Amino acid sequence: GAVVSQHPSRVICKSGTSVKIECRSLDFQATTMFWYRQFPKQSLMLMATSNEGSKATYEQGVEKDKFLINHASLTLSTLTVTSAHPEDSSFYICSARDKLAGGFLHYEQYFGPGTRLTVT
Amino acid sequence: GIQVEQSPPDLILQEGANSTLRCNFSDSVNNLQWFHQNPWGQLINLFYIPSGTKQNGRLSATTVATERYSLLYISSSQTTDSGVYFCAVGNTDKLIFGTGTRLQVFP
Repeated sequence: GAVVSQHPSRVICKSGTSVKIECRSLDFQATTMFWYRQFPKQSLMLMATSNEGSKATYEQGVEKDKFLINHASLTLSTLTVTSAHPEDSSFYICSARDKLAGGFLHYEQYFGPGTRLTVT
Repeated sequence: GIQVEQSPPDLILQEGANSTLRCNFSDSVNNLQWFHQNPWGQLINLFYIPSGTKQNGRLSATTVATERYSLLYISSSQTTDSGVYFCAVGNTDKLIFGTGTRLQVFP
């Protein structure tokens, strides 16, 4: 099946610094990747949609200047948390849709293992 | 936007028991997926099922799109089935996640 990786799996950083999280589709090309955030014992909340070669689309309430997304190739999207603060501590998960599978509205999303960010 | 509710929120079972998890959604959808989130946070794809019925081993799922609900059946539960089960739906290219069902299976 389709495999999505994330790096790093866990990161601790100091308040005010920036952290970059990578999301890669390993065995398929992904024109679209998605970034989610999950707080403890809660559901996943979509943060943004990352499209290869174009600007990301952010969900309402998500600060695009704080969460910078770059989708530079068909297999890599990055999320950079800028000037991180303790309230940004969370579990960040990416997903990807297979470019070749189904149509625009009929496809399966595959998820990475997540990155646990702790800001001290 | 689409609202997605799952029930029950919590479920405690003894090994070997069967269970049914429900997902209700508020609008017509083109995509519906069921996931199992393991204790390490990894989401495991169980079913892609915008309509119809599918089975995979001890798990099966049914989606009745016209009535806006989906069911996930777990038979002969095992301790390794423990975790959180999410359904996620969408009628654009995005997925909206449900509230989740936390399942604990005891030996």
